[in-house]
Amino acid sequence: GAVVSQHPSRVICKSGTSVKIECRSLDFQATTMFWYRQFPKKSLMLMATSNEGSKATYEQGVEKDKFLINHASLTLSTLTVTSAHPEDSSFYICSASRGYRGNIQYFGAGTRLSVL
Amino acid sequence: GESVGLHLPTLSVQEGDNSIINCAYSNSASDYFIWYKQESGKGPQFIIDIRSNMDKRQGQRVTVLLNKTVKHLSLQIAATQPGDSAVYFCAESNQAGTALIFGKGTTLSVSS
Repeated sequence: GAVVSQHPSRVICKSGTSVKIECRSLDFQATTMFWYRQFPKKSLMLMATSNEGSKATYEQGVEKDKFLINHASLTLSTLTVTSAHPEDSSFYICSASRGYRGNIQYFGAGTRLSVL
Repeated sequence: GESVGLHLPTLSVQEGDNSIINCAYSNSASDYFIWYKQESGKGPQFIIDIRSNMDKRQGQRVTVLLNKTVKHLSLQIAATQPGDSAVYFCAESNQAGTALIFGKGTTLSVSS
């Protein structure tokens, strides 16, 4: 299967700071990348969909000014959690889709964000 | 929504047994379904997929069954091994977009 790299795997930060998470497709060009949030023992919740070179489409209830998404190239998307607060602590997971092979999404390993 | 009694949040089996994990999907317009395996602290790993024009698809030790009449999807794992222990999610999407909607997940525990 395709390889998606997500970095960092874990980050601890103080309240009020911003955190950037990177998602890279290593061996294919991802026309679409997705960002999910997952709470303990819960399912994945889609936050936003981003296509290379265009603005991200956010799901209802997700603050686009809080969670900035940039998809500057076909292999890289970034999620920036701005002015993070303890309630933003969660597991963030990205995925990437080739686009031409159905809708298979290949997932990164996730980022555990802890805001103190 | 979910069919009451169909989805089990946890499933415990003995090593070597066959496992069946069920999922009820919500959107009758969905035409593509995927099963993912998620181990603790990791991202979901693709297992197998199926399109709505099929009712069965087999992979290595895994089989996915699709019943569109009752909007039911199942994952069968043959000869379950301890390494199969994880949370299993079904996901659905439709042809109009590529976003996936995930089910609630079933935690599979395999004891030796």
